[in-house]
This record gives sequence, C-alpha cells and structure tokens, in this order.
Amino acid sequence: EDQVTQSPEALRLQEGESSSLNCSYTVSGLRGLFWYRQDPGKGPEFLFTLYSAGEEKEKERLKATLTKKESFLHITAPKPEDSATYLCAVQAGGTNAGKSTFGDGTTLTVKP
Amino acid sequence: EAQVTQNPRYLITVTGKKLTVTCSQNMNHEYMSWYRQDPGLGLRQIYYSMNVEVTDKGDVPEGYKVSRKEKRNFPLILESPSPNQTSLYFCASSPTGAFSYNEQFFGPGTRLTVL
Repeated sequence: EDQVTQSPEALRLQEGESSSLNCSYTVSGLRGLFWYRQDPGKGPEFLFTLYSAGEEKEKERLKATLTKKESFLHITAPKPEDSATYLCAVQAGGTNAGKSTFGDGTTLTVKP
Repeated sequence: EAQVTQNPRYLITVTGKKLTVTCSQNMNHEYMSWYRQDPGLGLRQIYYSMNVEVTDKGDVPEGYKVSRKEKRNFPLILESPSPNQTSLYFCASSPTGAFSYNEQFFGPGTRLTVL
C-alpha cells in the first residue's frame, strides 16, 4: 500500500528563519512526487513536481528536493505570507496509474 | 479563465437523502479525481478517472459513486449519505494521461454536512 508521511505536523518560524519540511514515501512505481500549498478552506495549489531522485526545483523562497525515499521542501528566509499547510503527494504508475496518495501535511506559521 | 468548478459549495442534508455534487473543468483535461479532507488530515482519494467512461477506486470509495460520461464533467453521487460522510470534498483535474504524470488543479471545495 502506498504511504506518505510528512513531518513535522506543525512548524512555527520567525520571519527570516529558514527550515525544511520532510515527506517520506513508499510507493510501488513512483511516477511523480508533488508539493502543494493549501490555505485554510481552499483547494490545494500546485508548487512543484519531482520525477526522479536527485532532482531539484526552486521557486522564490522554496526549494524541493527528492531522494529515493523522501523529499524535502526547504524554505529560505520565510515571510508571514508563506504561512499555509504544505501537502506532499505521490502518484503511482503501472496498474495503479492515476492513483494519488497525499500526506497529512505540515502546517507552517511564520511570525513577523 | 481555466478552472475547476464545484456545486454546491455548501450543503447540509439528512441521512439517506441522495445527493450529487457536480464537478466541471474547462481545460480539456483527461484526468479527474475526487478527494475528501477531514480536519487535520490530508486528502484521501475517493475515485479517479483517467478518461471518459474509465473510472477507478481510490482509497476510500465506500458509499460513493461516480460517472464520467463527458470529458469535462465528473459528478460525485452519494446514494444514501451517512454522518460519517460529513467532510470537505475537492474535485481535481489534470493533464495526466497514461504516460504522463502532471499536477492537479483543484476546485474550491464542497463542504458537506450530513445530519
């Protein structure tokens, strides 16, 4: 069974204090690992897709990396507007093509 | 504007009264999916569809039905809702196909309460 575990559940940072969020996964035939941002009461918004170990993607203060067992979302010098829940998801291939499994998310709070 | 729309946005109903939540996308995406999200949890996949007339179960399909008769629409049907189906529901679409795996675009959500 595919599984995604995110840690920590919650993270409180001061503005400018860099940190990392972790996403550990087990999936049969990984076809893509996705990071989304979700604001309260809204649908998730896409951030990054990573397809293979060693791949990295960057966008403003965020950088996502991927190994064979986990992914990290690094947040550099965060601002209060980065406060949100960050979700990690994996998509399987083969006979389970199309099946998506999400983690429970990390809720980030950035204080000014 | 490219978007995924869901209706209704809010619904309060009673146990056993059949209901349908509609989902429509205007991006010509082949892939569509339904999720539920409960407090403090991530999204759990209910059903997904790789293309018209093709649907598959996700992790929590019990008590739900779907159909995909047209590419743009993917309604979620609760034939006999129960209180444990009280949740926030999201529809999503994606250009993902049989050999490509892409990000999903989510609707605004439907908050369902079953009394």
